[in-house]
Amino acid sequence: KAGVTQTPRYLIKTRGQQVTLSCSPISGHRSVSWYQQTPGQGLQFLFEYFSETQRNKGNFPGRFSGRQFSNSRSEMNVSTLELGDSALYLCASSLGVSSDTQYFGPGTRLTVL
Amino acid sequence: DQQVKQNSPSLSVQEGRISILNCDYTNSMFDYFLWYKKYPAEGPTFLISISSIKDKNEDGRFTVFLNKSAKHLSLHIVPSQPGDSAVYFCAARDMADTGRRALTFGSGTRLQVQP
Repeated sequence: KAGVTQTPRYLIKTRGQQVTLSCSPISGHRSVSWYQQTPGQGLQFLFEYFSETQRNKGNFPGRFSGRQFSNSRSEMNVSTLELGDSALYLCASSLGVSSDTQYFGPGTRLTVL
Repeated sequence: DQQVKQNSPSLSVQEGRISILNCDYTNSMFDYFLWYKKYPAEGPTFLISISSIKDKNEDGRFTVFLNKSAKHLSLHIVPSQPGDSAVYFCAARDMADTGRRALTFGSGTRLQVQP
């Protein structure tokens, strides 16, 4: 069974631009969560989607948004990019509401210049 | 305020010896804990988990111990191997809130196993 895939793996943008990251969960998994990893802040929760609905949201500004499609694939969008948005963005999938374990993708490395 | 703390940013051990990674938490509502291993340029890989109804869970060379009264957990790796060199993250979740499956992560401990 294929793991969680994320595209693109690397991305360079400039301040003020917007970016969309994509995540395909493990087949059969219906929950997708997004995390931001930075050297100073570690791994921080962004939001979680289940059955196309956002179920939970972390403490990030409204410039960060996401959505989930009927096939459980998810996208994350960041508008008006800032230098501080440079980070590794990780997607994790799990089976569903009663699932215990989240499985992570390789991440998208975003660099904002 | 960090709810999950890994106070040792790095740890170096000799191959074949025991590696002990520690994690402390402050939120008493956490009752499910996980350890993840992360190599550079890869996403975290699930290692082992433990719920609060247990004080120990073992899987091969990996054992996690939970001391709920002290709000402390540890990961033991025996024997340590050079391939274990990675960053280890402790994570916790409030299982009572089924609508909230977000993981709260510690800042990670970089383990270096010397051959």
